[in-house]
Amino acid sequence: DAGVIQSPRHEVTEMGQEVTLRCKPISGHNSLFWYRQTMMRGLELLIYFNNNVPIDDSGMPEDRFSAKMPNASFSTLKIQPSEPRDSAVYFCASSTSGTDTQYFGPGTRLTVL
Amino acid sequence: SQQGEEDPQALSIQEGENATMNCSYKTSINNLQWYRQNSGRGLVHLILIRSNEREKHSGRLRVTLDTSKKSSSLLITASRAADTASYFCATGFGNEKLTFGTGTRLTIIP
Repeated sequence: DAGVIQSPRHEVTEMGQEVTLRCKPISGHNSLFWYRQTMMRGLELLIYFNNNVPIDDSGMPEDRFSAKMPNASFSTLKIQPSEPRDSAVYFCASSTSGTDTQYFGPGTRLTVL
Repeated sequence: SQQGEEDPQALSIQEGENATMNCSYKTSINNLQWYRQNSGRGLVHLILIRSNEREKHSGRLRVTLDTSKKSSSLLITASRAADTASYFCATGFGNEKLTFGTGTRLTIIP
């Protein structure tokens, strides 16, 4: 299996621009998680989906962030408009419902200038 | 917010020595997991211990859990240079959500 796939791996953008991060979970996994990792705040859960339905988005920092999962094999995390404080590494992870082990993608390093 | 706090924040040891990392958490849990993160990479699951277990082994890894003290430890025996990474504990509540600790940065000196 290819594991969790994220794209792009690196993104540099200017403040105010829209950013879209993409994730393909492991085939057969029905839970998907978006995390953000920074030096200051560590690893934070932003939102997670179960069977393509958002279950908990309490970690989404503000309305500038949105996430979708249109089907079982694809999810996006969008930031519009982006700000310098959004600079971080964003991870996507997937798991099988009923288990607690999560499989992480390689992450997207976002830099907002 | 962080549920777990790892201790120490950083640890450097000679190759071949044992490395011990500790994790403390605040609320009741269903399970506790340890993950490894190599520099610039995603997290990799190492081992899971359930709240009704006290100790678990996997290869060179040994994990203990003391629910009365809300703490866990990860022991890596006979360390290797490839063990250099950050190690995170993560607490699970049976609802798929995990809350990660702050991490211990382990450096193995060849």
